[in-house]
Amino acid sequence: QITLKESGPTLVKPTQTLTLTCTFSGFSLTTGGVSVAWIRQPPGKALEWLGVIFWDDERRYSPSVKSRLTITKHTSKKQVVLTMSKMDPVDTATYFCVHSRKPDYSPYQYYFGLGVWGQGTTVTVS
Amino acid sequence: SYELTQPPSVSVSPGQTATITCSGDALPRAYTFWYQQKSGQAPVLVIHEDNKRPSGIPERFSGSSSGTVATLTISGAQVEDEGDYYCYSTHSNGDHGVFGGGTKLAVL
Repeated sequence: QITLKESGPTLVKPTQTLTLTCTFSGFSLTTGGVSVAWIRQPPGKALEWLGVIFWDDERRYSPSVKSRLTITKHTSKKQVVLTMSKMDPVDTATYFCVHSRKPDYSPYQYYFGLGVWGQGTTVTVS
Repeated sequence: SYELTQPPSVSVSPGQTATITCSGDALPRAYTFWYQQKSGQAPVLVIHEDNKRPSGIPERFSGSSSGTVATLTISGAQVEDEGDYYCYSTHSNGDHGVFGGGTKLAVL
């Protein structure tokens, strides 16, 4: 069974750096085709894709946060870490980490589908 | 920037068919995924790769895609299907993910 859980501070001050950890079980980030993505959702608003890290350490980021966002993985700890600098009140949101695995039939090298979600963690910037 | 466009809300009576659309210029070249989100909960995948239903998702959920429009259909919608539905795909350059603005489904 695949599970993911986000953890980190619930409150950060403007201009500070946010660090969130996604701790997972039920899969390995060394397996080909596997990835973990970060998604956020401001209160009452839509989901926003932030970025993803793939099994081979390749990463992709949303242009809207690319200059402030870093995603890293600690394979042995089964953790993925999101670091976002220069936090602003507009970054107030629930942050989710999401597992994915490229289907065998997919022709793409990197698969951006999203599968199992963590429960999310709420971060307020104030 | 690339956008996926959904209607803000859809309303149907129980037992009727609910149809939610998602339009985007890159959809002919990319798969669409659909997620259901109930209040206070994490999203749940209901359709992947345009029309595939994960195990555990009721058969009344189906998906299709034609040209620049993807469609989620709930045949015989139930009260428990109420919630927000989001389409998701990849950007036209295939380099990152994009969500639609979400559709609030009311079954009443």
